[in-house]
Amino acid sequence: QSALTQPASVSGSPGQSITISCTGTSSDVGGYNYVSWYQQHPGKAPKLMIYEVSNRPSGVPDRFSGSKSGNTASLTISGLQAEDEADYYCSSYTSSSTVVFGGGTKLTVL
Amino acid sequence: EVQLVQSGAEVKKPGESLKISCKGSGYSFTSYWIGWVRQMPGKGLEWMGIIYPGDSDTRYSPSFQGQVTISADKSISTAYLQWSSLKASDTAMYYCARRSGPWAFDIWGQGTMVTVSS
Repeated sequence: QSALTQPASVSGSPGQSITISCTGTSSDVGGYNYVSWYQQHPGKAPKLMIYEVSNRPSGVPDRFSGSKSGNTASLTISGLQAEDEADYYCSSYTSSSTVVFGGGTKLTVL
Repeated sequence: EVQLVQSGAEVKKPGESLKISCKGSGYSFTSYWIGWVRQMPGKGLEWMGIIYPGDSDTRYSPSFQGQVTISADKSISTAYLQWSSLKASDTAMYYCARRSGPWAFDIWGQGTMVTVSS
């Protein structure tokens, strides 16, 4: 199974909004509403930010939102803050009963 | 507090065996799947496999099938990831993570760094 496709990097200024895309196939992203997003700061373990395409775990700011259209899922961060600078990974359940991650996107807050 | 605590960093030689651990606490260990994720230096996350400690049902990513073994001992709330013969390319940070209902991983261990070098 191939990794989901994410842009290598995105950037934005404080207060702005950015969107990170995550493209898969009908066997993963497009076939199930089991897309998750993780934030990883350098040297730290990943943190769950979004599950089931658009749901936020308790404690995650509502500046983070998720959506999906066809085989592409998206993470939008509005009102960018300096602490949002991190790597972001999407993941999806697959038709093989496994999980596949995206290649990761480095978010830079200018 | 719900947490997963992993065993410490390891330095091994090629060809050696290794078993790292992930101990759960603060929740019913047998009721949640535990997954393993590899992160090679400077690279992204890779899903390796998952185990249900309640009955040891295990699934592997095709990329890792036959390369590692995932197991669990529910009596001590601990999951394991093991290698029978390490390679230099196994050098990576390994994370365990608890799977919540909808195939998301909500609790992560702190990671175990494995270095394989002659």
